[in-house]
Amino acid sequence: ETGVTQSPTHLIKTRGQQVTLRCSSQSGHNTVSWYQQALGQGPQFIFQYYREEENGRGNFPPRFSGLQFPNYSSELNVNALELDDSALYLCASSWGQGGGYGYTFGSGTRLTVV
Amino acid sequence: DAKTTQPNSMESNEEEPVHLPCNHSTISGTDYIHWYRQLPSQGPEYVIHGLTSNVNNRMASLAIAEDRKSSTLILHRATLRDAAVYYCILRDLNYGGSQGNLIFGKGTKLSVKP
Repeated sequence: ETGVTQSPTHLIKTRGQQVTLRCSSQSGHNTVSWYQQALGQGPQFIFQYYREEENGRGNFPPRFSGLQFPNYSSELNVNALELDDSALYLCASSWGQGGGYGYTFGSGTRLTVV
Repeated sequence: DAKTTQPNSMESNEEEPVHLPCNHSTISGTDYIHWYRQLPSQGPEYVIHGLTSNVNNRMASLAIAEDRKSSTLILHRATLRDAAVYYCILRDLNYGGSQGNLIFGKGTKLSVKP
């Protein structure tokens, strides 16, 4: 059973650019959630995808968008990058839109915006 | 905002038991108590969850107060690999999407001394 894998592990972008982060779900999981973790803080929920549709969103602006593919992998896209977008972005997969009894997290993508 | 309160940090000696407290005075009848931990440079990892009764698994035990307004995560013999940030999270499994997401606080940073 493979876990959640995220790519790339590290990324440096310039303010105003766009970025795409990728996530492969754990085998058997059909729900993907994305979280943003600033330094020294707990992760914050961005949004969740279930059956290829967004079915929940946290307090993040529309320039944060995503996709889920038929194989349940997912992308997080961020447009018009700002310096405050620098953070660790975590992907988590689970079974069922309620998340079942546990999420499996990837190790994250460290995004630095300069 | 997180609905739980945890100490910012705790210290333990290797091979001794560790009791990590969590207060959740506003817990509702359908909220499950979840614990996740985050090792350095990794994503959060599911530890244990429970509703009313005490729970045990290979990683830890969860002791839940009779009024459910507090709980304690117990690591029976701390090892150096248990040094991490531990998050106590309330989650209503009746909800999916944004309502079913994990709301992280700052957690408790556990240090383990050899």
